[in-house]
Amino acid sequence: NAGVMQNPRHLVRRRGQEARLRCSPMKGHSHVYWYRQLPEEGLKFMVYLQKENIIDESGMPKERFSAEFPKEGPSILRIQQVVRGDSAAYFCASSPPSGRAANEQFFGPGTRLTVL
Amino acid sequence: KNEVEQSPQNLTAQEGEFITINCSYSVGISALHWLQQHPGGGIVSLFMLSSGKKKHGRLIATINIQEKHSSLHITASHPRDSAVYICAPRKDFGNEKLTFGTGTRLTIIP
Repeated sequence: NAGVMQNPRHLVRRRGQEARLRCSPMKGHSHVYWYRQLPEEGLKFMVYLQKENIIDESGMPKERFSAEFPKEGPSILRIQQVVRGDSAAYFCASSPPSGRAANEQFFGPGTRLTVL
Repeated sequence: KNEVEQSPQNLTAQEGEFITINCSYSVGISALHWLQQHPGGGIVSLFMLSSGKKKHGRLIATINIQEKHSSLHITASHPRDSAVYICAPRKDFGNEKLTFGTGTRLTIIP
């Protein structure tokens, strides 16, 4: 059973370009979370998605950022018109469907975005 | 005040020493993760616990829900344990997202 997969592992973009980060959850997992780690800072929650639904996007910047988790395929975190301040490591985590008291989250290896 | 406080922020110890990292949180939680992150590396979930104590190899995690406190212990520490350890509580049931401590940077000297 493969773990959480993220690609690309490293992404370089110039200011103004778009960045697309992909996350494939573990098999059987229907919950996906995106977290961001800015340089020399801690992890921060961005968005929590279930298949075809955004459950909590309270950590997403209001502009330029969007996320989706379609019925088929990976979850996508999209950043439009990137700026240097978007340079960070973006981690995806997944967990199994609700029903258990507390579902463990499993993390992917992260995508390191560098904006030139 | 941060919702999650970890101590110490940095810890350097000799190989073989017993290590304790503490985490206090102010929010109600349903569970708490301890995570490990090597420099430039990914994040590994070491434990998820909602009560009592868990042990995995040389690692032990405890939690006291009433006191809103958790500890991570490493016995017989080894240089490969050098990493950042992050406490990540999960809030109440129905709110799945994690909050994070600032991390404890552990360095084990041979």
